[in-house]
Amino acid sequence: DAGVTQSPTHLIKTRGQHVTLRCSPISGHKSVSWYQQVLGQGPQFIFQYYEKEERGRGNFPDRFSARQFPNYSSELNVNALLLGDSALYLCASSGTAGQFNQPQHFGDGTRLSIL
Amino acid sequence: AQKITQTQPGMFVQEKEAVTLDCTYDTSDPSYGLFWYKQPSSGEMIFLIYQGSYDQQNATEGRYSLNFQKARKSANLVISASQLGDSAMYFCAMRVLAGSSYDKVIFGPGTSLSVIP
Repeated sequence: DAGVTQSPTHLIKTRGQHVTLRCSPISGHKSVSWYQQVLGQGPQFIFQYYEKEERGRGNFPDRFSARQFPNYSSELNVNALLLGDSALYLCASSGTAGQFNQPQHFGDGTRLSIL
Repeated sequence: AQKITQTQPGMFVQEKEAVTLDCTYDTSDPSYGLFWYKQPSSGEMIFLIYQGSYDQQNATEGRYSLNFQKARKSANLVISASQLGDSAMYFCAMRVLAGSSYDKVIFGPGTSLSVIP
């Protein structure tokens, strides 16, 4: 069975540009969460989506937005890119939202570099 | 505040030896899940082991075991018979209910494990 897939693998952008990152969850999983991992740190929670609705949001500015599609795949959008947005962006899927007793399964991430 | 602490930025272990990676957590919620993930240099986050807050017994998965001491709020990972492929970053994480209908995973800063031949 395919795991969580993310695209693209790597991306280079310049300050002020916009970027869209994509994620396909494990088949049967309906919840997708996004995390930002800055070099040398643990991942930080950005969003959780379930059944196409935003269910929770971390402490990130409004430049960050996301959506989930009917097939449960998801996009993360970041506007007006800053140098500090350079990071590994991880997508995680789980069967449902609002539970603590199952692992979230992560994709390989998209490595975003801002010049 | 909910937080994960990993006090060992880097660890070395001889191949075939056992190693313990420390993790302490802080939450006032009675319900939570504790996880360990492995992150090789390639970046993917690999799930290793899970311990629920209500579980009475320590979790084990192959060479991985979790030493869960609820009163001390610690969840240390023990890797037995270390292999060269175990060299990676290891993250302790806690999945918590963050609102009426969502959850999030809080990660520690990680421990870099190097296995020496």
